[in-house]
Amino acid sequence: ETGVTQTPRHLVMGMTNKKSLKCEQHLGHNAMYWYKQSAKKPLELMFVYNFKEQTENNSVPSRFSPECPNSSHLFLHLHTLQPEDSALYLCASSQDFPSTDTQYFGPGTRLTVL
Amino acid sequence: GQNIDQPTEMTATEGAIVQINCTYQTSGFNGLFWYQQHAGEAPTFLSYNVLDGLEEKGRFSSFLSRSKGYSYLLLKELQMKDSASYLCAVLGGATNKLIFGTGTLLAVQP
Repeated sequence: ETGVTQTPRHLVMGMTNKKSLKCEQHLGHNAMYWYKQSAKKPLELMFVYNFKEQTENNSVPSRFSPECPNSSHLFLHLHTLQPEDSALYLCASSQDFPSTDTQYFGPGTRLTVL
Repeated sequence: GQNIDQPTEMTATEGAIVQINCTYQTSGFNGLFWYQQHAGEAPTFLSYNVLDGLEEKGRFSSFLSRSKGYSYLLLKELQMKDSASYLCAVLGGATNKLIFGTGTLLAVQP
């Protein structure tokens, strides 16, 4: 596989469930990102990891918990979410952060919280 | 504060030319990106401008004026497959993060 992949592509969960989103990049990059894309809103940066270390947390609620075991894999653990958390969650990677390097995005996970 | 403005929707005809504008106000500037996003798919990189002027890449061109806080994406010889959302994003802020606009949904009609 090439580029940035995300699984699952679609997820429906109840407010009391616990689930995880997975992202994998095959580009040899050092930085990985989680973004949230809600309808009619700009992409919002959630977290940034560089060389497995979290370098940015954009005031994200603790019900979202990221994990980066290595530079190629990024997870977003979800628990006790709210209906307003329903959105498209996009993963991206770039060579480094901070830098002017282009970010390459995965296809996203469409999350619906009931 | 940080602000990026672009039109919400645009319509154009197949074979024509369309210009999508983006204005920005950000603290710090290290370049402007344009991405294309088809419905349900990943945003894909189109262009990066850091110096004033026009960058041409096939049917797509991107222009930047840093003094005016303004950019545009020019799409020539429009094709039906160009129907997508076009995202303007500025690399800026204290920690050099990408700040996105809400995107412009372009509909190309026959």
